[in-house]
Amino acid sequence: DSGVTQTPKHLITATGQRVTLRCSPRSGDLSVYWYQQSLDQGLQFLIHYYNGEERAKGNILERFSAQQFPDLHSELNLSSLELGDSALYFCASSARGGVSEQFFGPGTRLTVL
Amino acid sequence: AQSVTQPDIHITVSEGASLELRCNYSYGATPYLFWYVQSPGQGLQLLLKYFSGDTLVQGIKGFEAEFKRSQSSFNLRKPSVHWSDAAEYFCAVAASGNTPLVFGKGTRLSVIA
Repeated sequence: DSGVTQTPKHLITATGQRVTLRCSPRSGDLSVYWYQQSLDQGLQFLIHYYNGEERAKGNILERFSAQQFPDLHSELNLSSLELGDSALYFCASSARGGVSEQFFGPGTRLTVL
Repeated sequence: AQSVTQPDIHITVSEGASLELRCNYSYGATPYLFWYVQSPGQGLQLLLKYFSGDTLVQGIKGFEAEFKRSQSSFNLRKPSVHWSDAAEYFCAVAASGNTPLVFGKGTRLSVIA
């Protein structure tokens, strides 16, 4: 158990819909990263937040957005869903500052029908 | 930009045999290097990391990896594989601590009796 929690575990929805994925980092970790894992693209970085502020953006679509709240949990919002958005979405957290590894949550499996 | 190559998509080894999974990276400076393992339906677990210092690093579950700057490699090794090691293994690189990870495509390890 990494200490990072993600909800829900599974999500099935239809094209055009909007969903919200939630992540709670390890206690004390200020950084939250979101990654997408799909069969064709592999593991890709989406976005990084540190203590409530966006720090870096990767291959995140304009239909996707995220935020990190004062209690440090983060939400990834996916809208106007397409079949190709079906994937496993991971969040990871790391400690404040310095050199630190990332600890991954169990992921949310999103299926768009 | 950083990139990671894992040349072997799938490797099959016999239980008790030794294992080496290859990883090559592309990055201008000395990167931060990681190996993660993903069991079916699970999240990513950190096996080991290299930030600096001794180029031979020990990890969990009896794994080790060696950083070779001249070859831009960070290969993962285990002297005797157990059936429970069957999983997907990902090599990753980061520009510095607390920055997004760039992952390789992964190597799937099968273990036969």
